[in-house]
Amino acid sequence: DAGVTQSPTHLIKTRGQQVTLRCSPISGHKSVSWYQQVLGQGPQFIFQYYEKEERGRGNFPDRFSARQFPNYSSELNVNALLLGDSALYLCASSIQGYGELFFGEGSRLTVL
Amino acid sequence: SQQGEEDPQALSIQEGENATMNCSYKTSINNLQWYRQNSGRGLVHLILIRSNEREKHSGRLRVTLDTSKKSSSLLITASRAADTASYFCATDPSTTSGTYKYIFGTGTRLKVLA
Repeated sequence: DAGVTQSPTHLIKTRGQQVTLRCSPISGHKSVSWYQQVLGQGPQFIFQYYEKEERGRGNFPDRFSARQFPNYSSELNVNALLLGDSALYLCASSIQGYGELFFGEGSRLTVL
Repeated sequence: SQQGEEDPQALSIQEGENATMNCSYKTSINNLQWYRQNSGRGLVHLILIRSNEREKHSGRLRVTLDTSKKSSSLLITASRAADTASYFCATDPSTTSGTYKYIFGTGTRLKVLA
């Protein structure tokens, strides 16, 4: 069975641009969470979606938004990119939102 | 903000030795998990321990949880070069909001020398 897939794997943007990251959860998983991992730190919670509803939001500005589609895939959008948005963006799926998280390999965003 | 703090930040041991890393957290939790991350890739779940459990084993892994001290430890026995990775604890804070906002620590970088 396929694991969590994320795209793109790497991307480079310039300040002020917008980016969309995509995530496909494991089949049967209804919850998707997004995390930002800055180099040398642990992942920080951005959003959680369950059954297409936003269940939680971390301490991130409104430039960050996300949604979950009927097939449970998800997109993370970041507007007006800043240099500090450079990070590994991780998507994790779970069956119901709690318990073990299954992570994708991440999308590495570099903002120049 | 990071809830968990792993200690030590970095650990270097010889193959065959045991590795112990610790995690401290700040608020009451439902459960605590440990994850491994190889060189900037995705995280892999290792073990979950619930707040009413004190110790749990999985293969070469042993996890303890002391809720009174708000701390946990991960022991890897008979380490191998393939165990070289960063290890993170993740806590699920007790909440009634329905949000499962896992909070990760700062990580311990383990290097196992062959």
